Amino acid sequence: NAGVMQNPRHLVRRRGQEARLRCSPMKGHSHVYWYRQLPEEGLKFMVYLQKENIIDESGMPKERFSAEFPKEGPSILRIQQVVRGDSAAYFCASRGDNYGYTFGSGTRLTVV
Amino acid sequence: SQQGEEDPQALSIQEGENATMNCSYKTSINNLQWYRQNSGRGLVHLILIRSNEREKHSGRLRVTLDTSKKSSSLLITASRAADTASYFCATEQGAQKLVFGQGTRLTINP
Repeated sequence: NAGVMQNPRHLVRRRGQEARLRCSPMKGHSHVYWYRQLPEEGLKFMVYLQKENIIDESGMPKERFSAEFPKEGPSILRIQQVVRGDSAAYFCASRGDNYGYTFGSGTRLTVV
Repeated sequence: SQQGEEDPQALSIQEGENATMNCSYKTSINNLQWYRQNSGRGLVHLILIRSNEREKHSGRLRVTLDTSKKSSSLLITASRAADTASYFCATEQGAQKLVFGQGTRLTINP
Protein backbone atom coordinates (compact mmCIF):
# COMPACT_ATOMS: atom_id res chain seq x y z
CA ASN A 1 0.00 0.00 0.00
CA ALA A 2 1.68 3.18 -1.17
CA GLY A 3 -0.08 5.42 1.31
CA VAL A 4 -1.58 8.76 0.40
CA MET A 5 0.01 10.07 -2.77
CA GLN A 6 0.07 13.75 -3.54
CA ASN A 7 1.40 15.31 -6.68
CA PRO A 8 3.12 17.35 -7.62
CA ARG A 9 5.44 17.73 -4.62
CA HIS A 10 6.33 21.25 -5.68
CA LEU A 11 4.32 23.57 -7.90
CA VAL A 12 5.25 27.04 -9.09
CA ARG A 13 2.59 29.24 -10.63
CA ARG A 14 2.54 32.85 -11.76
CA ARG A 15 -0.10 35.14 -10.37
CA GLY A 16 -3.37 34.64 -12.22
CA GLN A 17 -2.69 31.05 -13.28
CA GLU A 18 -4.55 27.99 -12.08
CA ALA A 19 -3.14 25.41 -9.67
CA ARG A 20 -4.39 21.82 -9.60
CA LEU A 21 -3.29 19.65 -6.72
CA ARG A 22 -3.94 15.91 -6.76
CA CYS A 23 -4.43 13.44 -3.97
CA SER A 24 -4.82 9.68 -4.30
CA PRO A 25 -6.10 8.25 -1.01
CA MET A 26 -5.02 4.98 0.48
CA LYS A 27 -6.68 1.94 -1.04
CA GLY A 28 -10.06 1.41 0.51
CA HIS A 29 -10.29 4.91 2.00
CA SER A 30 -13.34 6.86 0.91
CA HIS A 31 -12.85 9.97 3.07
CA VAL A 32 -10.49 12.73 1.93
CA TYR A 33 -9.48 15.93 3.72
CA TRP A 34 -7.50 18.91 2.49
CA TYR A 35 -5.47 21.15 4.78
CA ARG A 36 -3.33 24.24 4.21
CA GLN A 37 -0.22 25.06 6.19
CA LEU A 38 1.57 28.38 6.21
CA PRO A 39 5.22 28.50 7.40
CA GLU A 40 5.63 28.04 11.14
CA GLU A 41 1.90 27.43 11.59
CA GLY A 42 -0.41 24.49 12.13
CA LEU A 43 -2.62 22.88 9.53
CA LYS A 44 -5.88 24.62 8.79
CA PHE A 45 -8.82 22.53 7.66
CA MET A 46 -10.18 23.36 4.23
CA VAL A 47 -12.58 20.68 3.02
CA TYR A 48 -13.81 17.15 3.72
CA LEU A 49 -15.04 15.00 0.86
CA GLN A 50 -16.47 11.52 0.65
CA LYS A 51 -16.67 9.96 -2.79
CA GLU A 52 -18.42 12.44 -5.09
CA ASN A 53 -19.79 14.44 -2.15
CA ILE A 54 -18.54 17.50 -0.28
CA ILE A 55 -19.29 16.87 3.38
CA ASP A 56 -17.77 19.97 4.98
CA GLU A 57 -16.27 22.92 3.14
CA SER A 58 -16.31 25.34 6.03
CA GLY A 59 -12.58 26.06 5.66
CA MET A 60 -12.60 26.78 1.95
CA PRO A 61 -12.30 30.37 0.77
CA LYS A 62 -15.53 31.42 -0.89
CA GLU A 63 -13.91 32.31 -4.18
CA ARG A 64 -11.30 30.74 -6.46
CA PHE A 65 -11.03 27.46 -4.50
CA SER A 66 -12.85 24.25 -5.33
CA ALA A 67 -12.42 20.57 -4.55
CA GLU A 68 -13.74 17.34 -5.95
CA PHE A 69 -13.41 13.64 -5.31
CA PRO A 70 -14.83 11.82 -8.32
CA LYS A 71 -16.01 8.24 -8.37
CA GLU A 72 -12.90 7.29 -10.29
CA GLY A 73 -9.53 8.99 -9.91
CA PRO A 74 -7.85 11.23 -7.37
CA SER A 75 -9.24 14.09 -5.38
CA ILE A 76 -8.42 17.47 -6.91
CA LEU A 77 -7.97 20.79 -5.14
CA ARG A 78 -8.23 23.57 -7.68
CA ILE A 79 -7.16 27.14 -7.11
CA GLN A 80 -8.05 29.59 -9.85
CA GLN A 81 -6.29 32.90 -10.47
CA VAL A 82 -3.68 32.27 -7.81
CA VAL A 83 -2.32 35.13 -5.73
CA ARG A 84 0.87 35.31 -3.64
CA GLY A 85 -1.12 34.67 -0.47
CA ASP A 86 -2.01 31.20 -1.78
CA SER A 87 1.62 30.15 -1.39
CA ALA A 88 1.60 27.39 1.21
CA ALA A 89 1.92 23.67 1.74
CA TYR A 90 -1.29 21.79 0.98
CA PHE A 91 -1.77 18.44 2.65
CA CYS A 92 -4.26 15.75 1.90
CA ALA A 93 -5.33 13.06 4.35
CA SER A 94 -7.48 10.00 3.85
CA ARG A 95 -9.39 7.88 6.29
CA GLY A 96 -11.28 4.61 6.19
CA ASP A 97 -14.50 4.04 8.06
CA ASN A 98 -12.63 3.60 11.33
CA TYR A 99 -10.27 5.98 13.08
CA GLY A 100 -6.89 6.56 11.56
CA TYR A 101 -5.93 9.40 9.28
CA THR A 102 -3.02 9.04 6.89
CA PHE A 103 -1.41 12.16 5.52
CA GLY A 104 0.35 12.64 2.24
CA SER A 105 3.69 14.40 1.92
CA GLY A 106 2.04 17.57 0.70
CA THR A 107 2.27 19.88 -2.29
CA ARG A 108 4.25 23.05 -1.80
CA LEU A 109 2.72 25.79 -3.91
CA THR A 110 4.75 28.88 -4.68
CA VAL A 111 3.10 31.77 -6.47
CA VAL A 112 5.52 34.15 -8.14
CA SER B 1 -12.13 28.01 14.10
CA GLN B 2 -8.89 26.44 15.19
CA GLN B 3 -8.55 24.99 18.62
CA GLY B 4 -5.92 22.84 20.20
CA GLU B 5 -3.45 25.39 21.49
CA GLU B 6 -0.07 23.89 22.21
CA ASP B 7 2.20 25.07 24.96
CA PRO B 8 5.04 25.87 24.79
CA GLN B 9 5.41 27.12 21.23
CA ALA B 10 9.08 26.16 21.28
CA LEU B 11 11.08 23.85 23.54
CA SER B 12 14.80 23.17 23.56
CA ILE B 13 16.29 20.45 25.77
CA GLN B 14 19.38 18.28 26.05
CA GLU B 15 19.47 14.80 24.62
CA GLY B 16 18.35 12.28 27.20
CA GLU B 17 16.02 14.66 29.00
CA ASN B 18 12.24 14.32 28.94
CA ALA B 19 10.10 16.66 26.84
CA THR B 20 6.57 17.61 27.82
CA MET B 21 4.15 19.40 25.54
CA ASN B 22 0.64 20.49 26.43
CA CYS B 23 -2.48 21.01 24.39
CA SER B 24 -5.76 22.68 25.28
CA TYR B 25 -8.98 22.62 23.34
CA LYS B 26 -12.40 24.18 23.56
CA THR B 27 -15.19 21.86 22.46
CA SER B 28 -16.18 18.27 23.14
CA ILE B 29 -14.19 15.73 21.17
CA ASN B 30 -14.30 12.14 19.96
CA ASN B 31 -10.58 11.71 20.38
CA LEU B 32 -7.30 13.62 20.47
CA GLN B 33 -4.31 12.75 18.34
CA TRP B 34 -0.67 13.78 18.32
CA TYR B 35 1.36 14.14 15.14
CA ARG B 36 5.00 14.85 14.37
CA GLN B 37 6.24 16.86 11.43
CA ASN B 38 9.87 17.06 10.44
CA SER B 39 10.88 20.25 8.71
CA GLY B 40 9.36 20.47 5.25
CA ARG B 41 7.82 17.03 5.45
CA GLY B 42 4.40 15.48 5.94
CA LEU B 43 2.75 14.54 9.19
CA VAL B 44 3.35 11.28 11.01
CA HIS B 45 0.65 9.96 13.32
CA LEU B 46 2.06 9.24 16.78
CA ILE B 47 -0.76 8.30 19.07
CA LEU B 48 -4.53 8.57 19.48
CA ILE B 49 -6.36 8.80 22.79
CA ARG B 50 -10.13 8.45 22.92
CA SER B 51 -12.33 10.74 24.97
CA ASN B 52 -13.05 7.97 27.50
CA GLU B 53 -9.34 7.23 28.06
CA ARG B 54 -7.10 9.06 30.52
CA GLU B 55 -3.63 7.81 29.64
CA LYS B 56 -1.94 5.93 26.86
CA HIS B 57 1.59 4.73 26.20
CA SER B 58 3.47 3.92 23.03
CA GLY B 59 7.19 3.25 23.34
CA ARG B 60 8.80 6.42 24.72
CA LEU B 61 5.56 8.36 24.35
CA ARG B 62 3.02 8.94 27.08
CA VAL B 63 -0.18 10.85 26.46
CA THR B 64 -2.69 11.99 29.04
CA LEU B 65 -6.14 13.42 28.51
CA ASP B 66 -8.20 15.41 31.00
CA THR B 67 -11.61 16.04 29.47
CA SER B 68 -12.76 18.09 32.48
CA LYS B 69 -9.95 20.57 31.83
CA LYS B 70 -10.04 20.03 28.07
CA SER B 71 -6.32 19.44 28.00
CA SER B 72 -3.78 16.82 26.97
CA SER B 73 -0.07 16.36 27.41
CA LEU B 74 2.54 14.50 25.40
CA LEU B 75 5.63 13.27 27.20
CA ILE B 76 8.65 12.02 25.29
CA THR B 77 11.07 10.25 27.57
CA ALA B 78 14.82 9.88 27.05
CA SER B 79 14.81 12.26 24.11
CA ARG B 80 17.04 11.72 21.09
CA ALA B 81 18.34 14.07 18.43
CA ALA B 82 15.97 12.38 15.96
CA ASP B 83 13.01 13.62 18.03
CA THR B 84 13.71 17.16 16.82
CA ALA B 85 10.52 18.15 14.98
CA SER B 86 7.28 20.05 15.35
CA TYR B 87 4.56 18.31 17.32
CA PHE B 88 0.87 18.99 16.78
CA CYS B 89 -2.18 17.96 18.69
CA ALA B 90 -5.37 17.51 16.73
CA THR B 91 -8.87 17.01 18.02
CA GLU B 92 -11.46 15.03 16.17
CA GLN B 93 -14.85 16.57 16.65
CA GLY B 94 -18.31 15.26 15.96
CA ALA B 95 -18.12 16.21 12.29
CA GLN B 96 -15.24 13.78 11.88
CA LYS B 97 -12.58 16.21 10.91
CA LEU B 98 -9.26 16.95 12.59
CA VAL B 99 -8.65 20.42 13.98
CA PHE B 100 -4.98 21.19 14.57
CA GLY B 101 -3.20 23.48 16.97
CA GLN B 102 -0.27 25.70 16.13
CA GLY B 103 2.31 23.16 17.26
CA THR B 104 5.34 22.96 19.51
CA ARG B 105 8.76 23.13 17.90
CA LEU B 106 11.01 20.74 19.79
CA THR B 107 14.78 20.90 19.49
CA ILE B 108 16.96 18.22 21.05
CA ASN B 109 20.53 19.37 21.59
CA PRO B 110 23.27 16.73 21.47
